[in-house]
Amino acid sequence: SSGLTQDSAVSVALGQTVRITCQGDILRDYYASWYQQKPGQAPVLVIYGNNFRPSGIPDRFSGSTSGTTASLTITGAQAADEGDYFCVSRDTIGHHYVFGAGTWVTIL
Amino acid sequence: QVQLRESGPRLVTPSETLSLTCIVSGGSISDYLWSWIRQSPGKGLEHIGSVYHSGINYYNPSLRSRVSITADTSKNQFSLSLNFVTAVDTAVYYCARVVISGSWDAFDSWGQGAEVTVSS
Repeated sequence: SSGLTQDSAVSVALGQTVRITCQGDILRDYYASWYQQKPGQAPVLVIYGNNFRPSGIPDRFSGSTSGTTASLTITGAQAADEGDYFCVSRDTIGHHYVFGAGTWVTIL
Repeated sequence: QVQLRESGPRLVTPSETLSLTCIVSGGSISDYLWSWIRQSPGKGLEHIGSVYHSGINYYNPSLRSRVSITADTSKNQFSLSLNFVTAVDTAVYYCARVVISGSWDAFDSWGQGAEVTVSS
């Protein structure tokens, strides 16, 4: 299967740590990248290449991969972190990109 | 800092062709790979396809029969055509830049999105 599976939603108390996972066979070959999306806005890249952060992304965001599962961790979650988080990776066939369905993160 | 902006009709008649253009500023399309992605109401994101400035392109297998993505280096833009649209093609369409490495790819810059409705 070339799909990426994510939990639909997760909640975390302000200042606590939350981990979002993304599972799929294609992660054996390519690292996932992670995106934050808020309602009515375009996605924003937060993690790429397993654990690189673009300029301007806070260091409370980190990534990791184990086998066919990629994870995005927010350490010390802030109210501004509430939103939808998608993982994306590249299918080995045909240079096609596969998106996870997204995990909605609620900050309590 | 590269900026992307989607341009084109926001209302398309069923069975007609959806056409959008992504205008790129602050960077050349001769670098990187360029993609179209869509998000249907209440659904997740879906990769439509990608194109290099050379014209080499890649399409989502589920849309390949209806899609064409081309690049115009003289105007520094790339375009999407989706034929025979139906209501299920109603979505927000994004253009994005793709950074490619040996073991990872990433959409590092996105347009603001174009909300396209298919309706008569």
